[in-house]
Amino acid sequence: DVKVTQSSRYLVKRTGEKVFLECVQDMDHENMFWYRQDPGLGLRLIYFSYDVKMKEKGDIPEGYSVSREKKERFSLILESASTNQTSMYLCASSLNRGRNGYTFGSGTRLTVV
Amino acid sequence: GENVEQHPSTLSVQEGDSAVIKCTYSDSASNYFPWYKQELGKRPQLIIDIRSNVGEKKDQRIAVTLNKTAKHFSLHITETQPEDSAVYFCAASTSGAGSYQLTFGKGTKLSVIP
Repeated sequence: DVKVTQSSRYLVKRTGEKVFLECVQDMDHENMFWYRQDPGLGLRLIYFSYDVKMKEKGDIPEGYSVSREKKERFSLILESASTNQTSMYLCASSLNRGRNGYTFGSGTRLTVV
Repeated sequence: GENVEQHPSTLSVQEGDSAVIKCTYSDSASNYFPWYKQELGKRPQLIIDIRSNVGEKKDQRIAVTLNKTAKHFSLHITETQPEDSAVYFCAASTSGAGSYQLTFGKGTKLSVIP
């Protein structure tokens, strides 16, 4: 019963390429988030969205953009991939009402060569 | 913004012993504190959470305590088992831009030795 689905588990891209990471949730959640996970650094927020077409910068937005055209889909875009963007990318979603934990996707391991 | 510090970064315990992981937060307005468990190669999963109007919450072998005055909260695992081995993340909620976000600690790698 997977509820947050990330389109790719592993991805290898070349420096300078434009990269799209897709995330879809089927729980009708308002909030969606993109984090990157690096050893020793934990989970760092890149961007989030609390409504369709809305987006807000997180702690490390540089080099990234996002798109949310539909409520269930939140895309992370690396405009020009660089080697320092090699990381595990985690998508998450949550309800906006009250304070609730996130449901995470399985992650995309991106390697930029 | 919110800052969450988590200690220790690694923790090894003998099977059957207790494990304690501690977190501190900086934003006194934070009022929701979840804990996540991430097994190797898997997604983080919520294991327990606590809200600021509660001082302690238990779920079988897992408990979380919150001290709002000192701005710290802790995860307690009793009678540890090998399947408790994982990375544990604490988090604190922060408000803004019409919603809320979670700020995570850097994680604690727990190893339970059989």
